[in-house]
Amino acid sequence: EVHLVESGGGLVQPGGSLRLSCAASGFTFSTYWMHWVRQAPGKGLVWVSRMNSDGSDRSYADSVKGRFTISRDNAKNTLYLQMNSLRAEDTAVYFCARAQDFGSGNYRYFDSWGQGTLVTVSS
Amino acid sequence: QSALAQPASVSGSPGQSITISCTGTSSDVGSYNFVSWYQQHPGKAPKLIIYEGTKRPSGVSNRFFGSKSGNTASLTISGLQAEDEADYYCCSYAGSNTWVFGGGTKLTVL
Repeated sequence: EVHLVESGGGLVQPGGSLRLSCAASGFTFSTYWMHWVRQAPGKGLVWVSRMNSDGSDRSYADSVKGRFTISRDNAKNTLYLQMNSLRAEDTAVYFCARAQDFGSGNYRYFDSWGQGTLVTVSS
Repeated sequence: QSALAQPASVSGSPGQSITISCTGTSSDVGSYNFVSWYQQHPGKAPKLIIYEGTKRPSGVSNRFFGSKSGNTASLTISGLQAEDEADYYCCSYAGSNTWVFGGGTKLTVL
């Protein structure tokens, strides 16, 4: 069974930094693209970032580009999100999600999600 | 990248059908057949219920039906059940390895 567990969230002051982790199990982590998606309290889902399977390619939403860095350690089956220069509007539950292609070769869907970790940016 | 447009809320009685629309642009929904839908119950992680616009992952009820025309995708839920009460989000690939979600629709089963 696919299992994704996020950690590292907490309270941080504006301008501060935080690193989130997503521990994966139940599947061959090194063969899947992975994503971060966030959800502000009471709001909708927002795509944040994506990394390909070997870590050679990454992409970001405009709202976090230049401040957030996605990375992964396939030996540890772990995905990371380094968040710098945090703002109040970054306050959200951060989910990691596995990308799925359903055999098409197009990894465009999020088929497994963690339970999320809450990041609160406030002074 | 602007969020896809969804109605804030829809409602229906048990046994009825409802449809949730998801309107994007020619840069996302209109350009790609990579629309997906997610169901999210309060305090829970989202669950994939439709991918590639019309297909259901294994284990998802056939009461969920997806479609797309032009820049608008739709999710229809037939035979409404109490357990269907949740938030529903559409999502589209938007090119250059970026994705965009809809604002979400709260479904109330009356």
